[in-house]
Order: sequence, then C-alpha cells, then structure tokens
Amino acid sequence: DQQVKQNSPSLSVQEGRISILNCDYTNSMFDYFLWYKKYPAEGPTFLISISSIKDKNEDGRFTVFLNKSAKHLSLHIVPSQPGDSAVYFCAASARKQGAQKLVFGQGTRLTINP
Amino acid sequence: SQTIHQWPATLVQPVGSPLSLECTVEGTSNPNLYWYRQAAGRGLQLLFYSVGIGQISSEVPQNLSASRPQDRQFILSSKKLLLSDSGFYLCAWSEGLPRTDTQYFGPGTRLTVL
Repeated sequence: DQQVKQNSPSLSVQEGRISILNCDYTNSMFDYFLWYKKYPAEGPTFLISISSIKDKNEDGRFTVFLNKSAKHLSLHIVPSQPGDSAVYFCAASARKQGAQKLVFGQGTRLTINP
Repeated sequence: SQTIHQWPATLVQPVGSPLSLECTVEGTSNPNLYWYRQAAGRGLQLLFYSVGIGQISSEVPQNLSASRPQDRQFILSSKKLLLSDSGFYLCAWSEGLPRTDTQYFGPGTRLTVL
C-alpha cells in the first residue's frame, strides 16, 4: 500500500521557468510533510517542510503548497536552475510518540534544460 | 553544527558473508537514528529506528539487524547476506524530544551482493 505517491517519475523544465513537482498521500493521519533533493550516490538533502496547520511555506526559490482536502502537496521552484536537476522525494509523517517515521514517495527526476 | 558520517561508502560482498555498516552523528545529543534502504529505481524504505541506546525498532522483517551501542552510533548488520540485500543504505538522524520530524541523511553506502 503506497501511502505517498509521486506519479510523475520524471519532469523536464527549461531553465528560468517554474518547476512543479506533485505528491499525493492517502493517510489522513499525516500531519507533517517534507521535500528532499537527492543527487546520485549521495544522501537526500532536506529542502523544505510544511505542517498540516498551514497551506503554504516559502523559502527562497522553493514553495510548498498543501491541499489537505485533496491530500495533495506540491513543490514549486522558481526560477529553475541547472543545479536543481536531481531526484526529488516527498515524505510524510504522522503524530506519534518517539521517533517520527517518514513515509517516502518514489521520487521524481527533475531535469533543467539550458 | 551537526554532521553525520557513514562508512564504508561502497561495499561489494559475496552471498552468505556478514555485513557491518556504521553510522555516527556529531554535534548533537540523544538523537533519533534511522536506517533506510533505497533499492534501484525505488523510494526510501525505513528499516530500523532508535530513540535511545539499546532501543531498536524494526519496520520490516528481513535479513538485517541494527544496534545502537552508543548514543551517537548506529550499526546495521547481517550474519549472512542475500542477493536481495543489495541497495543504497542511508542513515539519518533527527532531534529527540521535543518532537521534530525533519531527518538529516548521511552520504550513504552502496552495497552490492554478488
């Protein structure tokens, strides 16, 4: 049962334009969402997160939007740069005691074309 | 600042051989620690997590085990490797209480079982 889904395995965007990466989830208990960026043979790097009490969080070129009724979140990158080319993972967690277990999507490979 | 180390970076092992991967965190105390595996073309799967020394929780039944002999040390082991154990293994940490969901990943270990 895939609780977090990224339905687009890949996305190609021209440099300077907006990149929009999408993520859907099924578990209504999830209350915290994160985006990670990953280069080949490296560990994921944390990008941005959002709590379920908000619908938008912005950090520089990165903005995450959360639509709880649709169980959907998206990451916007504006403007896109060649260094943004990587695999992007969304992740979600549910309120629990102790360690917070993240559930990851399958990832979307973003390619920024010059 | 906090840093997380993993070694070795790459490992090629024959089927049936033992395994020991090590992860250490610097610059924090009482972290929550995690082991993930990324199989080829897939997302990250949580294998184990730990909220304290000697406390290990397993997420999926498998051929692997984990131990936390010291506060900032997390070890992933196997007595006899299987072909299906091949993958990219990632260690991550997060702050302990109060609750925080952001996890920070190490550089990973590429394991190939032949």
